[in-house]
Amino acid sequence: DADVTQTPRNRITKTGKRIMLECSQTKGHDRMYWYRQDPGLGLQLIYYSFDVKDINKGEISDGYSVSRQAQAKFSLSLESAIPNQTALYFCAASGASTDTQYFGPGTRLTVL
Amino acid sequence: DAKTTQPNSMESNEEEPVHLPCNHSTISGTDYIHWYRQLPSQGPEYVIHGLTSNVNNRMASLAIAEDRKSSTLILHRATLRDAAVYYCILRAWNSGNTPLVFGKGTRLSVIA
Repeated sequence: DADVTQTPRNRITKTGKRIMLECSQTKGHDRMYWYRQDPGLGLQLIYYSFDVKDINKGEISDGYSVSRQAQAKFSLSLESAIPNQTALYFCAASGASTDTQYFGPGTRLTVL
Repeated sequence: DAKTTQPNSMESNEEEPVHLPCNHSTISGTDYIHWYRQLPSQGPEYVIHGLTSNVNNRMASLAIAEDRKSSTLILHRATLRDAAVYYCILRAWNSGNTPLVFGKGTRLSVIA
C-alpha cells in the first residue's frame, strides 16, 4: 500500500477558482512537502512542514498556501487559480531522522 | 546544498549496464550523495545514497570517486522499466530543516 496518497489525481478548473489539493501519509512521517513540476523540468519546492506547527515557504510559494491539519495531512491551496499554475503537483513525506523522501503519485492540475 | 551537474540525457540498450555520472566539484566533507529517479507519470522514488564508500542495494550501485568530486550511479542490467529521469542531489549531514532540492536530472532511455 502507498505511503503517500494524493487527491484528486486529476483536476481541471477555471481561472479565478479556489482549489485545494490534499495529501495524506500513513507512516507517521514528521515532515511533508509540496512540489510543482512543469513539463520537461525538475521539481520546484512550494512549501514544506517539519511538524504540525511548522510551515515554511519554498522556492515558488507565491499564489499558494498550505495547511498542516494533522501529522498525516498536508493540503495545498490555490486561492485564485491562474493558467500558469497548470502543472503536476507532488506531495512528499520524510522522517525526522532520515533524508529519504517518499512521494505521492501526483495531481495533474489544469487551469483554463 | 552544493551544486551538481548531470548530462541532460543518456541512452542504453536493454540488459546492458548503465553508468549515470554526476559531477559535484564543490562538495563539502559532510555532504551525502543521494540519487532519486522519476518514472514516467509517477512521483520520484529514492534509489540510493552514500558518503565516501561505494554502496550497493537491490536497485543500483553508487560509485564515489576518491576525491568525492564525482559519482556514478550504476544500473547493472538496464530494463525497460528503468527508463526514467535520474536526479543526483547533495545533502549535508546536518541539513536539519532544509529540504531536498531537485535539479533537472538525466533522462535515461532504454532501447529494447
